[in-house]
Parts: sequence; structure tokens; C-alpha cells
Amino acid sequence: AQTVTQSQPEMSVQEAETVTLSCTYDTSESDYYLFWYKQPPSRQMILVIRQEAYKQQNATENRFSVNFQKAAKSFSLKISDSQLGDAAMYFCCYYGGSQGNLIFGKGTKLSVKP
Amino acid sequence: DGGITQSPKYLFRKEGQNVTLSCEQNLNHDAMYWYRQDPGQGLRLIYYSQIVNDFQKGDIAEGYSVSREKKESFPLTVTSAQKNPTAFYLCASSITGRLSQNYGYTFGSGTRLTVV
Repeated sequence: AQTVTQSQPEMSVQEAETVTLSCTYDTSESDYYLFWYKQPPSRQMILVIRQEAYKQQNATENRFSVNFQKAAKSFSLKISDSQLGDAAMYFCCYYGGSQGNLIFGKGTKLSVKP
Repeated sequence: DGGITQSPKYLFRKEGQNVTLSCEQNLNHDAMYWYRQDPGQGLRLIYYSQIVNDFQKGDIAEGYSVSREKKESFPLTVTSAQKNPTAFYLCASSITGRLSQNYGYTFGSGTRLTVV
């Protein structure tokens, strides 16, 4: 079965600095999708970024970018110029065809210090 | 505006009662999902449905039931057989359950269920 591991339960970053959240996953499939979701204190789940496994180019969305290493099964999220509004739980997620649904890691709680 | 509506926002259940959580979407999405969120556990899948009148059990389906009679609606019933129902419940939908068109899920704002 596919699994997603986030090894950092909590992280902290200074405002305007850069932080990287780690994620590894385990799968035997070659075609799949990876996502990062953000859950602020409101608990509304928000899609941050999406990566298709067959694309070698790393996805980027404004201040958010990923480092996708398919062979290593690693999918880290980099947040540049951190803002107070970035404080949230961040979930790394996997979607593969055989599973048919989104599998979540346990999350990393990010704090942003002013 | 299109989106997913979950109701109620807060729900209290007495021991031995069944309760139903509502989830409605107007996004014309084929697939819908129910997740349970507990502290330190991430999100765990309860049930999902990729098409009307069909649904599958997720990882923690025991003590829960669902129906999918309409494309827009996917209610979740928490039965008295669920021994530890206190949690935050999230409903989600996606355009399709097919891998080739997966753009991620859209989530509702959640229901907080507490046993009293």
C-alpha cells in the first residue's frame, strides 16, 4: 500500500525567510500525482501546489515551489519570503490510480515568527 | 459561487445515537469523499464515491454509512457502532476519480462532532 511520510511534526521560520518542508512517499506505481495542502486555523483545506509524476519539471506557484525527486520518492515544499499568513498545517498527499483516492501524510505544523 | 457546503458546523451526539452529516456540492464533480481528522493522525478516508449510486469503503469505514442518490449530495451517518466518533469530519469532491484528470480535491469547511 502507498504511504506518505512527513518527518517534521513542527517547523518554525522567521518572517521573510525561506523554509523547506519534507515529504517522502512509497509506491510501486509509475504514474501518480503529488499535492501539498495547507490547513490554516480556520481548518479550511487549501490546495497549495500539484505535481504530476511524469513531468520532470518542478511545479511552482508564486512563493511556493517543490523539489520532486522521483527516484528518491521525495517531494519537498519550499516556501520563500515567508509571511504570517503562511502559518498553518501543511499536508503532503499522494494520488495514484490503483488507490483511487488521496492519501495524506500526518502533517507539518508551520509557525511564522514576526 | 461553486463549492462544497457541509452542515452543521458543530454537532453534538449522545451515546447510542445515530447522526447524519450533510455534504452538498454544486461543482458538478463526479467523485466525493469523507475524511476523518484527529490530532496527529492526518486525514483518514472513511468512504468515497466515484459515481452516483456507487460507493466504496475507505480505511476506517466501520461504524459509518453513506449514500449517493444524487450527484450533488453525499451524506455521512455516524452510527452508534462507532465507538469513538469525536473528531473533525471533512467532505471533499473531485472532477473525476480517474487518475488522468486528477486536479486535486475541493474541500468543505468541515463538521466538528462531539459525543456528550
